[in-house]
Amino acid sequence: DTEVTQTPKHLVMGMTNKKSLKCEQHMGHRAMYWYKQKAKKPPELMFVYSYEKLSINESVPSRFSPECPNSSLLNLHLHALQPEDSALYLCASSQGTTGLNYGYTFGSGTRLTVV
Amino acid sequence: KNEVEQSPQNLTAQEGEFITINCSYSVGISALHWLQQHPGGGIVSLFMLSSGKKKHGRLIATINIQEKHSSLHITASHPRDSAVYICAVRLYNFNKFYFGSGTKLNVKP
Repeated sequence: DTEVTQTPKHLVMGMTNKKSLKCEQHMGHRAMYWYKQKAKKPPELMFVYSYEKLSINESVPSRFSPECPNSSLLNLHLHALQPEDSALYLCASSQGTTGLNYGYTFGSGTRLTVV
Repeated sequence: KNEVEQSPQNLTAQEGEFITINCSYSVGISALHWLQQHPGGGIVSLFMLSSGKKKHGRLIATINIQEKHSSLHITASHPRDSAVYICAVRLYNFNKFYFGSGTKLNVKP
């Protein structure tokens, strides 16, 4: 298995809803990442988990809450989002956490619309 | 100033043409990635480079570490190559990418 699987592919949620995005990989990668991508812009890093511990939080609002229950799974819990949070949310994973890294793999993303 | 600069921003080509996309960066890196993103879609990693040159099918990627420059070439371009191509550099000892703003390629039949 050489993929990063993200679910759901599309999500529409209201501003008072609570939802979660899921990301899964079975490549033995020890680093996992959440990115946010607005239309026609490059991805922006949100969070990095290394060995299931949060190592980077790029000043993301608390309405986004990441969770890494095990080395294969990464969740992004969403609560009280704003319409401007609508974007493509990408998950990625890589073998290592520093220096030369191989196998950096992106998922296909979750298209989130906040109404 | 962006740490990663790509050119051109937009590129239109006729099928069969040879295409070059350029990437310059200003930081010390451990690796440079060329990524492909189709409209509305996820990202596919095409190449990871730390030196020299790599080839995969009709795609060739080169990097000059001293000049902090990389190029992505597409030979015999095809309409299915139409996508956004993104250059991303990974900082050494940091778990972080800097992304270029992307080159939108449109190959016409």
